[in-house]
Amino acid sequence: RKEVEQDPGPFNVPEGATVAFNCTYSNSASQSFFWYRQDCRKEPKLLMSVYSSGNEDGRFTAQLNRASQYISLLIRDSKLSDSATYLCVVSGEGKLIFGQGTTLQVKP
Amino acid sequence: SAVISQKPSRDICQRGTSLTIQCQVDSQVTMMFWYRQQPGQSLTLIATANQGSEATYESGFVIDKFPISRPNLTFSTLTVSNMSPEDSSIYLCSARAGTAADTQYFGPGTRLTVL
Repeated sequence: RKEVEQDPGPFNVPEGATVAFNCTYSNSASQSFFWYRQDCRKEPKLLMSVYSSGNEDGRFTAQLNRASQYISLLIRDSKLSDSATYLCVVSGEGKLIFGQGTTLQVKP
Repeated sequence: SAVISQKPSRDICQRGTSLTIQCQVDSQVTMMFWYRQQPGQSLTLIATANQGSEATYESGFVIDKFPISRPNLTFSTLTVSNMSPEDSSIYLCSARAGTAADTQYFGPGTRLTVL
């Protein structure tokens, strides 16, 4: 079983749609959680950290359920520029462990 | 924040040769890492580069194949030794200033093709 699992997609949605990505992790001792964004042929960049209370940054909302070892990312009113791969990332023993990523394609 | 540069940005190499990738961070950082991203895959941690001592390798990666140096807080090198086509991948340098809860930054990557 992979340490961090995501649905690879691709998710194809029209502009303005709401889309949700899910992620599960296997190590209950994991302490920090993130969503990274990776554009085609670019390096990953931090999108947002994920906190137990849930957190929001503009159109993006992240949720963490430690009991279920489940992380989610919700994107509202999606834009063409949101097209990218979204990586679920979990820290363990001081290291980041990456999911395989979920690809989002927003179409006009 | 930290800005990370890597050299070379890409290379095409012959089987059996070695390539050294350089990583430079614009500020002093605590932790530096090397990742590999194979085509269509996510990032896999190769090793943690430790300043002034041997790197800490992840399962499946060994020092003879991927020797790493980190002579100071802002610079590290990764060598891919005795290359085979299976080593064709993007190699990414990464750094962060503090703990795993802090933002981790990535270099632009080195795209390696082995013929």
